[in-house]
Amino acid sequence: NAGVTQTPKFRVLKTGQSMTLLCAQDMNHEYMYWYRQDPGMGLRLIHYSVGEGTTAKGEVPDGYNVSRLKKQNFLLGLESAAPSQTSVYFCASGSNNYGYTFGSGTRLTVV
Amino acid sequence: AQSVTQPDIHITVSEGASLELRCNYSYGATPYLFWYVQSPGQGLQLLLKYFSGDTLVQGIKGFEAEFKRSQSSFNLRKPSVHWSDAAEYFCAVDPIAAGNKLTFGGGTRVLVKP
Repeated sequence: NAGVTQTPKFRVLKTGQSMTLLCAQDMNHEYMYWYRQDPGMGLRLIHYSVGEGTTAKGEVPDGYNVSRLKKQNFLLGLESAAPSQTSVYFCASGSNNYGYTFGSGTRLTVV
Repeated sequence: AQSVTQPDIHITVSEGASLELRCNYSYGATPYLFWYVQSPGQGLQLLLKYFSGDTLVQGIKGFEAEFKRSQSSFNLRKPSVHWSDAAEYFCAVDPIAAGNKLTFGGGTRVLVKP
């Protein structure tokens, strides 16, 4: 049972490039989330989804888009990367009465 | 505004001493409550969670937390820390009624002195 898998684990982008981060979960969880973690700021919610085909904005959604076409996958897109998006990105999935499971993170550097 | 606060950014504790990490939240109703631990360069590991019932919750690695409704707090404790407990600890809250958005405190970094 893999849990929550994030790909890629590391990436370096040039300013203005685009990329997609993939999050996959095999626990049949309804809810999925994307967070970014920056030093001294904890984890901040970017976007989230409460079910297949639904998405919603979190605390820091600007510059990101998401899609949840399949229940098990939650994609985070950066259309035009900026240095301010250098961060560690974590995906999580969860369900009521269970809690949340996190992926191992994606370290993104935008130069 | 709804928020989760961890008042202590850093805590230094001697090995074998007790540890208490504070967490306060401001939500209208009792939310789901969690504590996670993160070692350097690693992901987040769930230590324990509170949904309902007994307000003293036991977790992994010898940790426990107590929910106090009157104080809107969910403090984490360990009676005797080990050097391997050096990490960053995050309190998190799921308000349930507000779209199941797990919100984190800013974290407390724990240093363990030999």
